[in-house]
Amino acid sequence: ETGVTQTPRHLVMGMTNKKSLKCEQHLGHNAMYWYKQSAKKPLELMFVYSLEERVENNSVPSRFSPECPNSSHLFLHLHTLQPEDSALYLCASSQDMYGYTFGSGTRLTVV
Amino acid sequence: QKEVEQDPGPLSVPEGAIVSLNCTYSNSAFQYFMWYRQYSRKGPELLMYTYSSGNKEDGRFTAQVDKSSKYISLFIRDSQPSDSATYLCAMTVGDYKLSFGAGTTVTVRA
Repeated sequence: ETGVTQTPRHLVMGMTNKKSLKCEQHLGHNAMYWYKQSAKKPLELMFVYSLEERVENNSVPSRFSPECPNSSHLFLHLHTLQPEDSALYLCASSQDMYGYTFGSGTRLTVV
Repeated sequence: QKEVEQDPGPLSVPEGAIVSLNCTYSNSAFQYFMWYRQYSRKGPELLMYTYSSGNKEDGRFTAQVDKSSKYISLFIRDSQPSDSATYLCAMTVGDYKLSFGAGTTVTVRA
C-alpha cells in the first residue's frame, strides 16, 4: 500500500488493555494528523504534528497519547479506554492545507 | 450551532441522475473549500478543492462556492454506481486545520 499506511486495520481491546496504532506515510509530507471518525459525526481532529513537533492537542483525554518519532511515522498509544472511544481512527499527512492524504483507518472496538 | 452543517442523507438516485450535495458554514473566515469521497472501509480521498467563491469543474464533478451565503455545493453529473460513497465537505481559513461536515451517504442504483 502506498501513500499513508495504517496498522492494524481492526482492533478489539478491553478497557484495561494497552495498545498502539501505527501510521506511516511515504509521501514526504511534513505534517501528520490523527482524526477520530464516529458514525453520523464530523471528523474530530485529535492531534497535529508539524515537523515532528506537536502543534495541536484538541482537548483529547490523556488515555490517548501520540508519538511522532520522525516525519514519516506517527503512533497513537491507547490505555484504559472507554466503550465510547470505539470509532474509526484515521491518520492523515499533508504538505499544504488542502493536500490531506488519509490512510484507510483503524476500526477500534472497546469492550 | 455547528461550524459546518451537512445533511447526512442517505441519498439514493438512479444511474445517470444528477447528484446534488451541499454544506453550509458559519465561519466567514473560511477561504479554502474541499470535497472528499469516502468509500466503505476506506479513508477519505480528496475529490475537489476550490479557493474563495466561484465554480470549478473536473469531468463529471462541479464544485460551487457562494461565500456571501456561506454555502458550498458539489454536483455529480451522469452518476454511476461507482459514485456510491460518503461525501464529506471540508474547509479551512488557510492553516493546517480542516473543519469537516458529517458527510452525506450517496447510493447510485444501477
